[in-house]
Amino acid sequence: ETGVTQSPTHLIKTRGQQVTLRCSSQSGHNTVSWYQQALGQGPQFIFQYYREEENGRGNFPPRFSGLQFPNYSSELNVNALELDDSALYLCASSLVTGELFFGEGSRLTVL
Amino acid sequence: AQSVSQHNHHVILSEAASLELGCNYSYGGTVNLFWYVQYPGQHLQLLLKYFSGDPLVKGIKGFEAEFIKSKFSFNLRKPSVQWSDTAEYFCAVTAILQGGKLIFGQGTELSVKP
Repeated sequence: ETGVTQSPTHLIKTRGQQVTLRCSSQSGHNTVSWYQQALGQGPQFIFQYYREEENGRGNFPPRFSGLQFPNYSSELNVNALELDDSALYLCASSLVTGELFFGEGSRLTVL
Repeated sequence: AQSVSQHNHHVILSEAASLELGCNYSYGGTVNLFWYVQYPGQHLQLLLKYFSGDPLVKGIKGFEAEFIKSKFSFNLRKPSVQWSDTAEYFCAVTAILQGGKLIFGQGTELSVKP
């Protein structure tokens, strides 16, 4: 148990729709990172938020966006869903240079 | 660009066999190195990490890893595996001061036969 909770755990969307995934970070952690894990692959870094500001971004298009709230919880938004967006989305919380603690992920299926 | 390569996609061992999973990374600067494990249906868990100091790092559950800077490698080892070690193992690297931006390898699935 890491103290990082994600919701929803599973969801199904159709192409072109929008999705919002949520993450509650471990108590005391001020940094949230999001990763995409496609089937059979390692997680890929999407972006990181530190004190409500984006603090680094991977190679993902602008339709992937995020927010971090004053309580350090976070959202990942994906617009104009594509079939290739089907994946497990992982949230991890940490102190800014500390160990990452991962949630169990939100599995998104795009039909 | 940074990258991480794990040598084996799927490893099958019998209980009590020794394990070594290869990991090589590509990055010219100073890095932090990690091994994560993902048991079936569970979240990613940190097995061990290397930041600095002794290049032989001991982690949880009897795992260890050795950082060989000249070879850009960080191989994971365990002298005697158990059935409960069946899981997927990920090597990851991050540049110093980019703590949250982990670059993961593609993973190695370990199956241990009882």
